Amino acid sequence: DAKTTQPNSMESNEEEPVHLPCNHSTISGTDYIHWYRQLPSQGPEYVIHGLTSNVNNRMASLAIAEDRKSSTLILHRATLRDAAVYYCILRDISYIPTFGRGTSLIVHP
Amino acid sequence: KAGVTQTPRYLIKTRGQQVTLSCSPISGHRSVSWYQQTPGQGLQFLFEYFSETQRNKGNFPGRFSGRQFSNSRSEMNVSTLELGDSALYLCASSLADGDYEQYFGPGTRLTVT
Repeated sequence: DAKTTQPNSMESNEEEPVHLPCNHSTISGTDYIHWYRQLPSQGPEYVIHGLTSNVNNRMASLAIAEDRKSSTLILHRATLRDAAVYYCILRDISYIPTFGRGTSLIVHP
Repeated sequence: KAGVTQTPRYLIKTRGQQVTLSCSPISGHRSVSWYQQTPGQGLQFLFEYFSETQRNKGNFPGRFSGRQFSNSRSEMNVSTLELGDSALYLCASSLADGDYEQYFGPGTRLTVT
């Protein structure tokens, strides 16, 4: 199974952009890259996903490296409500998702 | 539209017992996945059901089983409980199997003593 590597934690100030990195050097050509986040005492919440091209939605942007061995989730203006654990996930051809350990994002007011 | 609901929210069992957890997906969603979350192992995929058929299974022993009903509601069962089965069990639903956008419920906190 392809695995992901993320920093254990990152910190940001409110209203500043946040770049959350994820390494997935063993990614296969058919693996989609997904990001979920989990707020305290809640189930995970879908954020964004992509295959090769950069993706944007109302929550965030996903930048995927040309060789697809890494990706970055971009929160354009962090708010206190964005404080959560962010998971970078690969979903392979058999559709079994492999979760990384996640990055705990701390947002300072 | 109501979200994913899981019952019960909290459960305490003793070793050797069995437990059944229930999940009601979002209306119209036909795929249900189950995950186990522990501090040590993080989030791990258990299995996925679509149209009453198990489509995928994670690397868990046979003590963990599940099923899906015709109304897409799902149950998972753990037999012969072990202390290590203490975890948060999360259910997620999506429109179709393999769908990338999953909606998670709040989870069932199982404690095995």
